[in-house]
Amino acid sequence: DTEVTQTPKHLVMGMTNKKSLKCEQHMGHRAMYWYKQKAKKPPELMFVYSYEKLSINESVPSRFSPECPNSSLLNLHLHALQPEDSALYLCASSQEPGAEETQYFGPGTRLLVL
Amino acid sequence: GENVEQHPSTLSVQEGDSAVIKCTYSDSASNYFPWYKQELGKRPQLIIDIRSNVGEKKDQRIAVTLNKTAKHFSLHITETQPEDSAVYFCAAPSNTGNQFYFGTGTSLTVIP
Repeated sequence: DTEVTQTPKHLVMGMTNKKSLKCEQHMGHRAMYWYKQKAKKPPELMFVYSYEKLSINESVPSRFSPECPNSSLLNLHLHALQPEDSALYLCASSQEPGAEETQYFGPGTRLLVL
Repeated sequence: GENVEQHPSTLSVQEGDSAVIKCTYSDSASNYFPWYKQELGKRPQLIIDIRSNVGEKKDQRIAVTLNKTAKHFSLHITETQPEDSAVYFCAAPSNTGNQFYFGTGTSLTVIP
């Protein structure tokens, strides 16, 4: 398996809902990432997990809560989101942590907050 | 964080012509520079990358050049085809070396 997969593909939620985004890779990669991408903008880094531990949190609001249950899985728990949080949420992974490692992206979850 | 500037923001070329996209970065310690292509509604996909020990890398119609002294790197697409139409992002490592930052993107349209 040489791909990063994400579920769901689309998600619509109200501001009081709790939902989770899931990401999975079976390439043995030890770093996993969450990005947020607004239309016509580059991906913005949110979180980095290195060897299943949170290593970077780019000052993301606490209504976004990441979790790495094991080396293949990465979740993003969502609670009390705002309409401006509507975006494409991309997961990525790399063989090792660090800025000189190629990152491979999943197809993303397109989130709409009403 | 790293400051990565990318130009132009939009680019239209006739099919068969060449396209060039340029990026500049600020951290002289940066050593790895990937380019991603993102088609509408799809994921960013790595198309080519270069490390600082070489000045140029080529893969069929795509090439990347790196000038470390001037701190800029460029993507060159020759013999463009309609399927090359997409948004292209460059990226450069942060000054901490823990992550990389994307350029602002170039929307390329190849006109048949």
